[in-house]
Amino acid sequence: DAGITQSPRHKVTETGTPVTLRCHQTENHRYMYWYRQDPGHGLRLIHYSYGVKDTDKGEVSDGYSVSRSKTEDFLLTLESATSSQTSVYFCAISAGTGGYYNEQFFGPGTRLTVL
Amino acid sequence: GDSVTQMEGPVTLSEEAFLTINCTYTATGYPSLFWYVQYPGEGLQLLLKATKADDKGSNKGFEATYRKETTSFHLEKGSVQVSDSAVYFCALGTPSGYALNFGKGTSLLVTP
Repeated sequence: DAGITQSPRHKVTETGTPVTLRCHQTENHRYMYWYRQDPGHGLRLIHYSYGVKDTDKGEVSDGYSVSRSKTEDFLLTLESATSSQTSVYFCAISAGTGGYYNEQFFGPGTRLTVL
Repeated sequence: GDSVTQMEGPVTLSEEAFLTINCTYTATGYPSLFWYVQYPGEGLQLLLKATKADDKGSNKGFEATYRKETTSFHLEKGSVQVSDSAVYFCALGTPSGYALNFGKGTSLLVTP
């Protein structure tokens, strides 16, 4: 199994509070991704990173920011959580551009509930 | 844009039945195609992949053939087990893309 951990695994928070989710990898892969999973929507890309301090937006990036100061860590921050951000969040990594030559490997997920 | 459409579930089968989960795609160029499986409470695991037309991906008794003429990548298994109960996601990746495009997932329940 790819060495990907996510923390916390579960979190309940209140509307308006900041939340940071962490993804940690031990594979030294260049690409890292944050997805959210919601019923009826599959997985949707929030942000991704193609190197240290190199990040870009995905299709559902509003309300989220990311940072990557080290190869192994990719942080997802909800600056002011809203109920619409209640979801399961997955981190993924890839050795190369994830989706063509190189498959993505997924972490175990973080279940976030915003009350 | 690039997208994947897969059959809606849930799909309920008896043990040892034949499984087909349909997946069709829209993409420019020549994408790579993947099937991922998600067991309850877990992340997604790569089940199989195919990177060019007519390739057949296979793993754990599951198979899927990349059909460019029908833009399809249907997942099949000859005899399902209760342990195959999970959600299955079809996905595609393109040379110009940076991530995967996922279908909405198909839930499979196999009963004894």
